[in-house]
Amino acid sequence: AQSVTQLGSHVSVSEGALVLLRCNYSSSVPPYLFWYVQYPNQGLQLLLKYTSAATLVKGINGFEAEFKKSETSFHLTKPSAHMSDAAEYFCAVSDFLFSGGYNKLIFGAGTRLAVHP
Amino acid sequence: DVKVTQSSRYLVKRTGEKVFLECVQDMDHENMFWYRQDPGLGLRLIYFSYDVKMKEKGDIPEGYSVSREKKERFSLILESASTNQTSMYLCASSPSPRQGRSSGANVLTFGAGSRLTVL
Repeated sequence: AQSVTQLGSHVSVSEGALVLLRCNYSSSVPPYLFWYVQYPNQGLQLLLKYTSAATLVKGINGFEAEFKKSETSFHLTKPSAHMSDAAEYFCAVSDFLFSGGYNKLIFGAGTRLAVHP
Repeated sequence: DVKVTQSSRYLVKRTGEKVFLECVQDMDHENMFWYRQDPGLGLRLIYFSYDVKMKEKGDIPEGYSVSREKKERFSLILESASTNQTSMYLCASSPSPRQGRSSGANVLTFGAGSRLTVL
């Protein structure tokens, strides 16, 4: 079975500092991996996804993530944090239920990012 | 713009009441999902549906049922609400690969959520 572990339920950074949110996955098959962001009182929206093409994936709002098979990791980074990045971030792995292709996402517990001036 | 609409943003119900949470998507997606979100637990799948009238149990189906009579609508039903069902409920949808949109087949579009409090 696939699983996702997000290290650190809360991360706090200064505005302008590097953002690093950690995600490790477990999968018996090549995974599809995702990062979603949830702003207060909203649903989740897709930041970026890895689907076995380039290992460095660029997403919206300046975020990117690198797939490292040897480390089973998919950490999310942004070079310079902005106040508007304060939100909760979820890493997810896709579990294909059969090859016909409907997918179930397995989510991590989430990391709440705080950005202070 | 792609839309998943959850009709109720906030609900307060009493123990034992029957609760309906409605979700509608306008993207002609085949797949629809109900997740429950709790602090420290992330999102957990309750039920999903891959076609009209089809449903499959997720990881935590106990105490819930679903209905999908039309492609665009997926309802979550709590037959007899209990306090441990107080939570945020998120509906999502996605196309399936056979819909010819393989690049988006893995991507879920979420509604804004329904926060349910059971007293």
